[in-house]
Amino acid sequence: DTGVSQDPRHKITKRGQNVTFRCDPISEHNRLYWYRQTLGQGPEFLTYFQNEAQLEKSRLLSDRFSAERPKGSFSTLEIQRTEQGDSAMYLCASSLGRAGTSGSKPSNEQFFGPGTRLTVL
Amino acid sequence: AQKITQTQPGMFVQEKEAVTLDCTYDTSDPSYGLFWYKQPSSGEMIFLIYQGSYDQQNATEGRYSLNFQKARKSANLVISASQLGDSAMYFCAMRDFIPGGTSYGKLTFGQGTILTVHP
Repeated sequence: DTGVSQDPRHKITKRGQNVTFRCDPISEHNRLYWYRQTLGQGPEFLTYFQNEAQLEKSRLLSDRFSAERPKGSFSTLEIQRTEQGDSAMYLCASSLGRAGTSGSKPSNEQFFGPGTRLTVL
Repeated sequence: AQKITQTQPGMFVQEKEAVTLDCTYDTSDPSYGLFWYKQPSSGEMIFLIYQGSYDQQNATEGRYSLNFQKARKSANLVISASQLGDSAMYFCAMRDFIPGGTSYGKLTFGQGTILTVHP
């Protein structure tokens, strides 16, 4: 299977513990995104990498959150000192990146992984 | 800032009928992209259809079509001949665009619409 994969699929942790999630994008995709989705809501953007460079971070990404993509392939998202409010689905997506306008085809759509569901007790 | 609004928390449709899911957007960028994703109960996000702001024709992909009305800033999804497997959450999303020729591409999502298809 050559889709986006995420590990683990489920994580239960106690408040105050650190957790780390991994995302493996589609191999030829240079762009990688992390989103967070709480129950009944749409995904919210967290951060974005182009190759190994982290180019944008949302204000949602507090100091307790850190993301890396060291070799421009897989990415990790770490949450330190987890809080109950961190409970959510963490989605990773990848896409091909190319310069040009957003207003014309091709779509360069983002392909999403299955997500990691985090529960903080 | 970009904003996507989906005003229908839930929609019901009879199998084999057509259904329209509403989406309105707000942006000051002249160039943007609009997407629809399907999220079944299993959780994965499935890309359905894309419309670019410069595209002259409405996008179509099989049973999915996008009713794009630029002046009204709406991008409604039309599903024809609904199937039981279409029951899912549907999200409208807009892609971020940075002037200068490079699209960073982060998506801003709406709140979603739960579609239930009845037999």
